[in-house]
Amino acid sequence: NAGVMQNPRHLVRRRGQEARLRCSPMKGHSHVYWYRQLPEEGLKFMVYLQKENIIDESGMPKERFSAEFPKEGPSILRIQQVVRGDSAAYFCASSLRGDRVSYEQYFGPGTRLTVT
Amino acid sequence: AQTVTQSQPEMSVQEAETVTLSCTYDTSESDYYLFWYKQPPSRQMILVIRQEAYKQQNATENRFSVNFQKAAKSFSLKISDSQLGDAAMYFCAYRSRAGDDYKLSFGAGTTVTVRA
Repeated sequence: NAGVMQNPRHLVRRRGQEARLRCSPMKGHSHVYWYRQLPEEGLKFMVYLQKENIIDESGMPKERFSAEFPKEGPSILRIQQVVRGDSAAYFCASSLRGDRVSYEQYFGPGTRLTVT
Repeated sequence: AQTVTQSQPEMSVQEAETVTLSCTYDTSESDYYLFWYKQPPSRQMILVIRQEAYKQQNATENRFSVNFQKAAKSFSLKISDSQLGDAAMYFCAYRSRAGDDYKLSFGAGTTVTVRA
């Protein structure tokens, strides 16, 4: 059973370009979470999605960031007009369910975004 | 959002010895989960151990055990018989079990080095 997959593992963008990060959840998982890890810091929650729905985007910056999880295909985290402060590791996690029972969040290997 | 504090940026331990990592958290809830995650140099987030707040018994997983003090809001991790492969960043995390709050709140992490 393949784990959570993220690609690319490393992404370099110049300031002003767009970054698209992809996440394929574990087989059978329909809940996806995105977290961001700035250098020397812990992970910070960004957004929680189910198929075709954004459930909680309270951690997403108000501008330039968007996320989707379509009916078919991976979840996408999109960052428009990237700035140097967007340089970070972006982690995706998936879970079987998202209700009050603690279904574990399984993490992908992360995408390291570098903005030059 | 809940605050998770890890006051030890770095810890060093001799191989085969024991090291304890501290974690405190701030919450007004009575029902929640606490986790310790390991992040080796590969940056893959690996779940080490989980504690459910309603359980008084401390969780253990092989050489890893926790000391959960609910009243003090303290959740320390003990690594016994330390091995070179234990060298990593360790993150303490909190997750509510109430309502629709599914996100994990992480501490800033503790870097563990193991001396041969």
